[in-house]
Amino acid sequence: DIVMTQSPDSLAVSLGERATINCQSSQSLLYSSNNKNYLAWYQQKPGQPPKLLIYWASTRESGVPDRFSGSGSGPDFTLTISSLQAEDVAVYYCQQYYSTPYTFGQGTKLEIK
Amino acid sequence: QVQLVESGGGVVQPGGSLRLSCAASGFTFRSYGMHWVRHAPGKGLEWVAVIWYDGSNKNYADSVKGRFTISRDNSKNTLYLQMNSLRAEDTAVYYCARERYGSYDMDVWGQGNTVTVSS
Repeated sequence: DIVMTQSPDSLAVSLGERATINCQSSQSLLYSSNNKNYLAWYQQKPGQPPKLLIYWASTRESGVPDRFSGSGSGPDFTLTISSLQAEDVAVYYCQQYYSTPYTFGQGTKLEIK
Repeated sequence: QVQLVESGGGVVQPGGSLRLSCAASGFTFRSYGMHWVRHAPGKGLEWVAVIWYDGSNKNYADSVKGRFTISRDNSKNTLYLQMNSLRAEDTAVYYCARERYGSYDMDVWGQGNTVTVSS
């Protein structure tokens, strides 16, 4: 099974500042036949279902603010929030869909400093 | 309006069974793969199972393999999760989610249904 490891486990950032969350997979998520990385990022707020933010590692889901961006390839990926807003307080998860069982990272809790 | 609504959760004793349902509306259900994901108290998200659009292929997390069965009825626009031999560690909020067409990420989620395994 592919193991997904996020860092840090928790993060406190001031409003308007940049937040960066890292995700590393135990093997490459790059599928050579289509040159796509099989990785998604989700945001989950308390009492709510997860919300898709980013897929194919860097494609923003429709309706997601452009302060959210995804980058990286192979085994190393990053979710960046360019200017933190109060409504961004949540737990963020990366997930690989390269092979089953599809696995999530352990989550990163993002708070306001 | 694209929507997924789960039902069937509740409290069950260890070793018992429960069947979750997920009713889909607002999209062509038979064209999409579907997933179950769970969130145990104090823990992170755990992917549980996936079923192809036509039900021809299914995959499971190791933690539920042999105990849980994912299925679908495309005539009723409904996804199911049959859970047998339930354990305390299966206690969680269970979400159904739609797989994006042409990809494998999950773009639409239900609100979740709570399953509690306790004596």
